[in-house]
Amino acid sequence: NAGVMQNPRHLVRRRGQEARLRCSPMKGHSHVYWYRQLPEEGLKFMVYLQKENIIDESGMPKERFSAEFPKEGPSILRIQQVVRGDSAAYFCASSPGPGRDREQYFGPGTRLTVT
Amino acid sequence: ELKVEQNPLFLSMQEGKNYTIYCNYSTTSDRLYWYRQDPGKSLESLFVLLSNGAVKQEGRLMASLDTKARLSTLHITAAVHDLSATYFCAVLTQGGSEKLVFGKGTKLTVNP
Repeated sequence: NAGVMQNPRHLVRRRGQEARLRCSPMKGHSHVYWYRQLPEEGLKFMVYLQKENIIDESGMPKERFSAEFPKEGPSILRIQQVVRGDSAAYFCASSPGPGRDREQYFGPGTRLTVT
Repeated sequence: ELKVEQNPLFLSMQEGKNYTIYCNYSTTSDRLYWYRQDPGKSLESLFVLLSNGAVKQEGRLMASLDTKARLSTLHITAAVHDLSATYFCAVLTQGGSEKLVFGKGTKLTVNP
């Protein structure tokens, strides 16, 4: 059973460009979480999605950031018009949902560098 | 709003010594996690603690949970260089959307 997959692993964008980060959850998992880690800091929650639904986006910046988890395909975190402050590691986690095993399994992360 | 505080944030130890990392959290939760992160890597799950008085051990690491005090500890016994990493505690929020709230991490350096 493959783990959570994220791609790309490293992404370099110039200021003003768009960044698209992809996350494929573990097989059988229908819940996806995105977290951001700024340099030398802990992870901070951004958004929680189920298939075709955003459950909680309280950690998402109000502008330029959006997320989706379509019926088919990976979850995507999209950052428009990137700025230097967006440089960070973005981690995706998946879980099977409410119930006994609610553990979130983390992917390898995408390291975004904005030049 | 749930807040999680870890201390110390930086810890430099000699090999063979013991030390404890502390994790305090501000509101009730029924799950607390400890993770390890090596530089440039993802998170490795070490322990999940579910109930008051829970204690788990793996090798030189032992984690415990006191839900009444809202405190978890990660105890390191006879540290070795391979334990050098950043350690995070994270608490699962309860009710509604369940998300992890992380501490800032403890960067551990074990010196030979």
